[in-house]
Amino acid sequence: AQSVTQLDSHVSVSEGTPVLLRCNYSSSYSPSLFWYVQHPNKGLQLLLKYTSAATLVKGINGFEAEFKKSETSFHLTKPSAHMSDAAEYFCVVSDVNNNNDMRFGAGTRLTVKP
Amino acid sequence: EAGVTQSPTHLIKTRGQQATLRCSPISGHTSVYWYQQALGLGLQFLLWYDEGEERNRGNFPPRFSGRQFPNYSSELNVNALELEDSALYLCASSFPGGLNTGELFFGEGSRLTVL
Repeated sequence: AQSVTQLDSHVSVSEGTPVLLRCNYSSSYSPSLFWYVQHPNKGLQLLLKYTSAATLVKGINGFEAEFKKSETSFHLTKPSAHMSDAAEYFCVVSDVNNNNDMRFGAGTRLTVKP
Repeated sequence: EAGVTQSPTHLIKTRGQQATLRCSPISGHTSVYWYQQALGLGLQFLLWYDEGEERNRGNFPPRFSGRQFPNYSSELNVNALELEDSALYLCASSFPGGLNTGELFFGEGSRLTVL
């Protein structure tokens, strides 16, 4: 079965500095990978997705992620953090060959300091 | 366009009671998913309904059950509540095959507290 590991439970950056949220996955098949964001007291919102097309995926709000099969990674990046980026971020792996089983990572809480 | 709506927003129960949570998907969406977000445990998949049928189930005991109605709304029932059932329960909806695109639309959740 597939799984995903978010390597940092909490990341703190200063406003205007780069953001890196790390995610490694495990899957027996060619996975689909996603990043979702959850702001306080809100539901989750899709940031971006990888579905076997371009390995560099651009999402909303200036975020992007690169699929690296050799490293089984799908790290989320943003060149310059904004205060509004403070939220919980979830990396997700989906296996369409396994009844669409979708597995969420434990989440990374991003704090942005002024 | 209305998003995914969940009710109630908050629910307080005592051990042994039953809880019912409700979810209305976005118009046109036929798939509904339920997740449990307990403190420190991330999101755990509970149930997936599509076209009124249960399509997949997570690793939860049978006292967690649900159904999907003809209008595609859904309810989640938790019987014989235990303290560890305290969590935020999130509902998501998608078009058919939504998981193939990853486009799940989430509600804001129902927070269940078991005393």
